[in-house]
Amino acid sequence: DGGITQSPKYLFRKEGQNVTLSCEQNLNHDAMYWYRQDPGQGLRLIYYSQIVNDFQKGDIAEGYSVSREKKESFPLTVTSAQKNPTAFYLCASSIRGGRSNQPQHFGDGTRLSIL
Amino acid sequence: EDQVTQSPEALRLQEGESSSLNCSYTVSGLRGLFWYRQDPGKGPEFLFTLYSAGEEKEKERLKATLTKKESFLHITAPKPEDSATYLCAVQADRGSTLGRLYFGRGTQLTVWP
Repeated sequence: DGGITQSPKYLFRKEGQNVTLSCEQNLNHDAMYWYRQDPGQGLRLIYYSQIVNDFQKGDIAEGYSVSREKKESFPLTVTSAQKNPTAFYLCASSIRGGRSNQPQHFGDGTRLSIL
Repeated sequence: EDQVTQSPEALRLQEGESSSLNCSYTVSGLRGLFWYRQDPGKGPEFLFTLYSAGEEKEKERLKATLTKKESFLHITAPKPEDSATYLCAVQADRGSTLGRLYFGRGTQLTVWP
């Protein structure tokens, strides 16, 4: 079945530690996105990528980093500079980015907590 | 500033009691409005895309409509399995080079037997 796989489902971070969230898709989609979801708030865009080896900052990129070395993979690193990382992280993809106005499809998320 | 507002924040319905969820938006140049369903601990599941005022889409007990300023998600004779948070998102001309979506905070729907 085609879809988006996020791992791990739960992740704990210690002080001063960087952690990496995995996102893999087998939908052959060009565009991929990372969102953060906090209780009572809408999804907020962290980073997005329209094509391999290219990515752009979203609204809340500080303390996060990404890479897009393969079309199917878009890992997110939460660095120690992100002082409030506890949240539900969602990865999404769409056939194309930009003006294509195609729907985004989501993985089942990673819940990150501080130890 | 672009904004997406969903109401009500929470809605409790008895099984079979039809109702509507609202999504109002203030964006310059709507390119698409998207409805998603999100279950606890899961990612949003895509339901509908609406592109222009007057458009309607249906899926089982759900029907989405769009005007120039808002969208409604009508739920007809809901069942307990329709309980979820429903999210609305818009894609606008501003930021369209990003393909980004602007999300509302969602409506948490509970349908009790």
